[in-house]
Amino acid sequence: DQQVKQNSPSLSVQEGRISILNCDYTNSMFDYFLWYKKYPAEGPTFLISISSIKDKNEDGRFTVFLNKSAKHLSLHIVPSQPGDSAVYFCAASLLGGSQGNLIFGKGTKLSVKP
Amino acid sequence: DTAVSQTPKYLVTQMGNDKSIKCEQNLGHDTMYWYKQDSKKFLKIMFSYNNKELIINETVPNRFSPKSPDKAHLNLHINSLELGDSAVYFCASSQDRGFQYFGAGTRLSVL
Repeated sequence: DQQVKQNSPSLSVQEGRISILNCDYTNSMFDYFLWYKKYPAEGPTFLISISSIKDKNEDGRFTVFLNKSAKHLSLHIVPSQPGDSAVYFCAASLLGGSQGNLIFGKGTKLSVKP
Repeated sequence: DTAVSQTPKYLVTQMGNDKSIKCEQNLGHDTMYWYKQDSKKFLKIMFSYNNKELIINETVPNRFSPKSPDKAHLNLHINSLELGDSAVYFCASSQDRGFQYFGAGTRLSVL
């Protein structure tokens, strides 16, 4: 029972173009969403987050959009750079959830080609 | 200076053995976690722990036990290892809810 779904296992984008990574969730009680980036042989690193009371959060080249009615969020990277090539995990946190436990999607592997 | 460090990075062992994975964080965080990433690439929470409370994911077998000698350490002990325990195990820590720092992972292979 996947509560957080990333339906695209991989995405390939040309350098300089926009990368859009998508994430869907099923539990309307989730109140906090995060994106993590993971390079091979390393742990996930926090990238950007958004509270359920907002619909957009921007940090430099990274913007996360939240559509609560559709239970959908997306991460936009613009312009994409080869160093952005990594696996991106979407994660959600449940209101009142114990110790802030995160529920992760399966990840999307982004490849940015020079 | 690594914020969350795990040892060992790789662990190869036989079925039935008992093993431990160590985790240390130097961030001063009060909550630590263990996650398992299985062959399907899902990252799933196993435990979360602070100095007050241990929260156990009900799907985790009781062969797995976290042990915290102090606030900066949360070690994972696994008894009677099984083939299905092969996975990458990640330790993480946080101060604020949801914003977690992860270690580099320990790849466990049970033969």
